[in-house]
Amino acid sequence: DADVTQTPRNRITKTGKRIMLECSQTKGHDRMYWYRQDPGLGLQLIYYSFDVKDINKGEISDGYSVSRQAQAKFSLSLESAIPNQTALYFCATSDSGANEQFFGPGTRLTVL
Amino acid sequence: AQSVTQLGSHVSVSEGALVLLRCNYSSSVPPYLFWYVQYPNQGLQLLLKYTTGATLVKGINGFEAEFKKSETSFHLTKPSAHMSDAAEYFCAVSKGYSTLTFGKGTMLLVSP
Repeated sequence: DADVTQTPRNRITKTGKRIMLECSQTKGHDRMYWYRQDPGLGLQLIYYSFDVKDINKGEISDGYSVSRQAQAKFSLSLESAIPNQTALYFCATSDSGANEQFFGPGTRLTVL
Repeated sequence: AQSVTQLGSHVSVSEGALVLLRCNYSSSVPPYLFWYVQYPNQGLQLLLKYTTGATLVKGINGFEAEFKKSETSFHLTKPSAHMSDAAEYFCAVSKGYSTLTFGKGTMLLVSP
């Protein structure tokens, strides 16, 4: 069984729609992250959470919001999707006593 | 602020040849350094990491990297490329137990 799961794996939506991407983990880690990957740009940090009551903005948080519903769950929302949010989105986790991050399989989002 | 520069968005080698992927970093404090690999349609997987101690770090699949403080580099090498090494490779830096900053990635192409 996968340690970090993301749903959905693929999503096509239209401009202006609200979208939620979900991430769940069974690793027991405190820290969770959301990244966006665009070709040639590497991974950019959107939001991160070091525990259930902690939410922090990353490099590119504009247009996104997050919710840490439980230690194991971290959701990313696009309130009103726009075409330049078309990208591959990754969730990751890490233990508070280490900095190695473990990644989910990704969600490919297309905004038309 | 931290940053990572990966020289070359694409590197091509022949099967059996030396693999060298270059990474230079900028950090105001002693860095923790990482190499991740991404196979097609998958998330990122940790290859190796440097935190403290020995500057030559060995990772999975025969890869290794050397931390050179004077050159602010953390280049990834493998003596003999295999077809299965074809993937995208990301260098990353962190400041202690904090967030990761990724480079833009290098696509490794291996020809028979």
